[in-house]
Amino acid sequence: DTGVSQDPRHKITKRGQNVTFRCDPISEHNRLYWYRQTLGQGPEFLTYFQNEAQLEKSRLLSDRFSAERPKGSFSTLEIQRTEQGDSAMYLCASSSGTERSGEQYFGPGTRLTVT
Amino acid sequence: AQTVTQSQPEMSVQEAETVTLSCTYDTSESDYYLFWYKQPPSRQMILVIRQEAYKQQNATENRFSVNFQKAAKSFSLKISDSQLGDAAMYFCAYRTLYTGANSKLTFGKGITLSVRP
Repeated sequence: DTGVSQDPRHKITKRGQNVTFRCDPISEHNRLYWYRQTLGQGPEFLTYFQNEAQLEKSRLLSDRFSAERPKGSFSTLEIQRTEQGDSAMYLCASSSGTERSGEQYFGPGTRLTVT
Repeated sequence: AQTVTQSQPEMSVQEAETVTLSCTYDTSESDYYLFWYKQPPSRQMILVIRQEAYKQQNATENRFSVNFQKAAKSFSLKISDSQLGDAAMYFCAYRTLYTGANSKLTFGKGITLSVRP
């Protein structure tokens, strides 16, 4: 068990470009979450998958954002036509659906800077 | 909707001393989980301690303990014998008891804890 991994760790892009982030959850976890954390704030929920099904999306997830988890394993988060306001840390977390407390294990995050 | 409030943005503690971090929350649910997460600088977030709302006994994990006051909707974290490695941002978080589509975490804004040697 190597924990939750995210790639890339840092991404600098110009406004208007598209970016894609990847998250690899803990292998036996069927639940996967994306959060966004801006400087000095707590993480805010973006979206949630159970296996390959996207079950909930936050109002924060505008039409420019799309997330997938095609085979119920890794997930990608794509931002189209990036804006400066998208600059943030994007965190991925996973949890087991069989564990009562549903403890979420976090990855190191992808820090996005839009110039 | 549930909300979590951490009103102290920063705190400082002397090494080996005890410090208490405050958190309040608002919910209409009777059963839920509360968590404290630690986020060291440039490192990933890790769980420090969890509390199940239906359990009256306060949770403890080594040097970390909580004071859970359900009626007051208060959930504070006490760190005893503070160590330099405790320096980090600490987040209080809420999660509904019922697993399923609504199992997201709701976080407070966090508190930055510094430890003086």
